[in-house]
Amino acid sequence: NAGVTQTPKFRVLKTGQSMTLLCAQDMNHEYMYWYRQDPGMGLRLIHYSVGEGTTAKGEVPDGYNVSRLKKQNFLLGLESAAPSQTSVYFCASTRLEGQPQHFGDGTRLSIL
Amino acid sequence: AQSVTQPDIHITVSEGASLELRCNYSYGATPYLFWYVQSPGQGLQLLLKYFSGDTLVQGIKGFEAEFKRSQSSFNLRKPSVHWSDAAEYFCAVGLNTGFQKLVFGTGTRLLVSP
Repeated sequence: NAGVTQTPKFRVLKTGQSMTLLCAQDMNHEYMYWYRQDPGMGLRLIHYSVGEGTTAKGEVPDGYNVSRLKKQNFLLGLESAAPSQTSVYFCASTRLEGQPQHFGDGTRLSIL
Repeated sequence: AQSVTQPDIHITVSEGASLELRCNYSYGATPYLFWYVQSPGQGLQLLLKYFSGDTLVQGIKGFEAEFKRSQSSFNLRKPSVHWSDAAEYFCAVGLNTGFQKLVFGTGTRLLVSP
């Protein structure tokens, strides 16, 4: 079982460029999440989805968009990257309310 | 607002010594409680969880945690630390909001000295 897979693992962008981060899970989980991790700040929720075709804003959604066209995939988009979006991005998924979230290995994104 | 506090940013423990990592939360009801571990360059791995029942929970890798409602705490313990335990540890609170919202602490980095 692959669990939660994130691609790419690393990326360097220039300010103003766009890109999409892909998260795929093979556990048939309903809920999926995107977090960013910054030093000294723990993980903060960007966007989440409670099922195919649904998305919602989390704690720090500005500058990001998401889509969940298929149950197993959750995409995070940066339309116009800014240096403040330099971070490590984690995707997570879970089956039910109250169950632990399963995390991917992260995408390290640097924006110059 | 809900919050999770991990007061220790760094902790250094000698190999073989005992460990306790502190976690306090602020939430009106009893939340779901989790401890995750993150090794360098890796994602978060679940160590243990508390949902209800016995307030002392056992996890993987010899870790345990105790939920104390009166203190709003969920401290992580291990009786004898191994060098491979060096990592960053995150406490998280799961809130009943119609979806599973996790609020994370800022993490405690554990260093293990020989």
